[in-house]
Amino acid sequence: DVKVTQSSRYLVKRTGEKVFLECVQDMDHENMFWYRQDPGLGLRLIYFSYDVKMKEKGDIPEGYSVSREKKERFSLILESASTNQTSMYLCASRQGPPTTEAFFGQGTRLTVV
Amino acid sequence: LAKTTQPISMDSYEGQEVNITCSHNNIATNDYITWYQQFPSQGPRFIIQGYKTKVTNEVASLFIPADRKSSTLSLPRVSLSDTAVYYCLVGQSGGYQKVTFGTGTKLQVIP
Repeated sequence: DVKVTQSSRYLVKRTGEKVFLECVQDMDHENMFWYRQDPGLGLRLIYFSYDVKMKEKGDIPEGYSVSREKKERFSLILESASTNQTSMYLCASRQGPPTTEAFFGQGTRLTVV
Repeated sequence: LAKTTQPISMDSYEGQEVNITCSHNNIATNDYITWYQQFPSQGPRFIIQGYKTKVTNEVASLFIPADRKSSTLSLPRVSLSDTAVYYCLVGQSGGYQKVTFGTGTKLQVIP
């Protein structure tokens, strides 16, 4: 069974901390994505990567960076966490174009205090 | 990228058929229409995809008219477990184009 695993279900961090959210997929997929989900706003794309060391900005990249050193792992980095980054973060992977199925992790609920 | 518009929420009683319509007026020739379902506290999961006319699987049916400017997800005889958010997406069959989910439709099934 395909699997996308996010390192934490719940995280609480302090304002100003550097935060790493990790995502690992076991399907050898080329494409990986980070979304955030907020009530009333749906899923918004932060960054995506279509190959190792390649990244593209999504719709709301400000305040975030990403790293993809290995094909199976895609990390989302909050350089200096702020309270407005409190959200549910979802990682996804997909083998091919948008017509192929995307697989999501369970999500990480991040609270910045 | 084709923008999609869906109702924010819908209520339905158990056992009824539910139809959720999505508008995508500027859909491109090589765009496909895909629907995802998201249960509370879980990531979205793929349920159905189509290009034109009708597609049916064990979960749902997808109806796409000839002009493809809208599509309708049909859930037969819903149960409480169908309570979820349903997202309509439009994306191309080539390249690594990003996919935007939007706000989705929150379906509440009532006993």
